[in-house]
Amino acid sequence: NAGVTQTPKFQVLKTGQSMTLQCAQDMNHNSMYWYRQDPGMGLRLIYYSASEGTTDKGEVPNGYNVSRLNKREFSLRLESAAPSQTSVYFCASSEVLLAGGPQDTQYFGPGTRLTVL
Amino acid sequence: KNQVEQSPQSLIILEGKNCTLQCNYTVSPFSNLRWYKQDTGRGPVSLTIMTFSENTKSNGRYTATLDADTKQSSLHITASQLSDSASYICVVSGANAGKSTFGDGTTLTVKP
Repeated sequence: NAGVTQTPKFQVLKTGQSMTLQCAQDMNHNSMYWYRQDPGMGLRLIYYSASEGTTDKGEVPNGYNVSRLNKREFSLRLESAAPSQTSVYFCASSEVLLAGGPQDTQYFGPGTRLTVL
Repeated sequence: KNQVEQSPQSLIILEGKNCTLQCNYTVSPFSNLRWYKQDTGRGPVSLTIMTFSENTKSNGRYTATLDADTKQSSLHITASQLSDSASYICVVSGANAGKSTFGDGTTLTVKP
């Protein structure tokens, strides 16, 4: 099993350009998440999808959009990239959104390192 | 606002020594608390999970404790190894939130 995969691994954009970060999981999980991690800071939730067909805003959604394409795939789009969006982006998945037990343990992908010039 | 605070921010120890990392939280009502290990350049990996009724959980050389009354948790690493060098992240889930609150992490460096 590959677990959670993310593409691309690295990306450099110019201000104003758009791009989509791809994420896929092969664990048949219902819930998926997008986080950003800035140096010296904790992970901050951008958007999440409790189940196929639903998406909700997290802590820092401005400047991003998401699509839960199917149960496996959850993409993050930057419509007009800004230097403040330079960060490492992590996708994660869990069996359920919140159950108080091991089922909601999140499994993370390897991250996408994005630089916006 | 739900918060998770970790201390120390960074820690350097010699190989073979023990260490303890701290996590204080204000998330309420509480559902569960997890410790994750994040190696440099990688995504976090779950080490332990504890619910309200559990006060100790071990995973090999890692032992997590939880005091739900004082809203504190600790992660104790025994007989440290060079491979323990990583960031350790405390994550607390609230029963009503549907989302988790992440601490900023403690960066542990184990030196030979």
